[in-house]
Amino acid sequence: EAQVTQNPRYLITVTGKKLTVTCSQNMNHEYMSWYRQDPGLGLRQIYYSMNVEVTDKGDVPEGYKVSRKEKRNFPLILESPSPNQTSLYFCASTPRTGDPYEQYFGPGTRLTVT
Amino acid sequence: AQSVTQLDSQVPVFEEAPVELRCNYSSSVSVYLFWYVQYPNQGLQLLLKYLSGSTLVKGINGFEAEFNKSQTSFHLRKPSVHISDTAEYFCAVSPVSYQKVTFGIGTKLQVIP
Repeated sequence: EAQVTQNPRYLITVTGKKLTVTCSQNMNHEYMSWYRQDPGLGLRQIYYSMNVEVTDKGDVPEGYKVSRKEKRNFPLILESPSPNQTSLYFCASTPRTGDPYEQYFGPGTRLTVT
Repeated sequence: AQSVTQLDSQVPVFEEAPVELRCNYSSSVSVYLFWYVQYPNQGLQLLLKYLSGSTLVKGINGFEAEFNKSQTSFHLRKPSVHISDTAEYFCAVSPVSYQKVTFGIGTKLQVIP
């Protein structure tokens, strides 16, 4: 089944404790993104990657890191999480060919930082 | 830069009644337009998209939207809603020439039995 998977789905952590949220897609998509969803703010892009080893900042990159060493994986790293990073996070991927810019979303990761 | 405005944060509607969810966008370049739906505790999935051609686009689950370039709008409609349509709906826009998708803040559709 074609899908985007994220792990973990739920995470409660403390301020300053490094964490990684994994994202993997099995559709051979080139483009991958991370978003955070907050009430009243919709989805805001954190980082994106146009292909392996090519990443760039989105609209709200502060406090986050990403890497793209393999085409299928795009982990989101919070080196020193803070309470304002409590949010619902989504990974998404897009094929380069076919319907332009249609995104396939993962199920989401709900992060709470205390 | 582009932006998306979803004018209604919540829309309650009775079952089997029609509904319209409004979306206006701002962009200095040609755009693609999308509507995504998010069911409770799930990720987003594409409802429909406007790329070019006919301004009336049909999507899944009986939804349709009309692109109006002069009014910079892309309103979503359904003639008769079901309980299962209760969800949050996001309008999104991207320039044609490169992928930079901007989402609206979302509209929560509550279908009342």
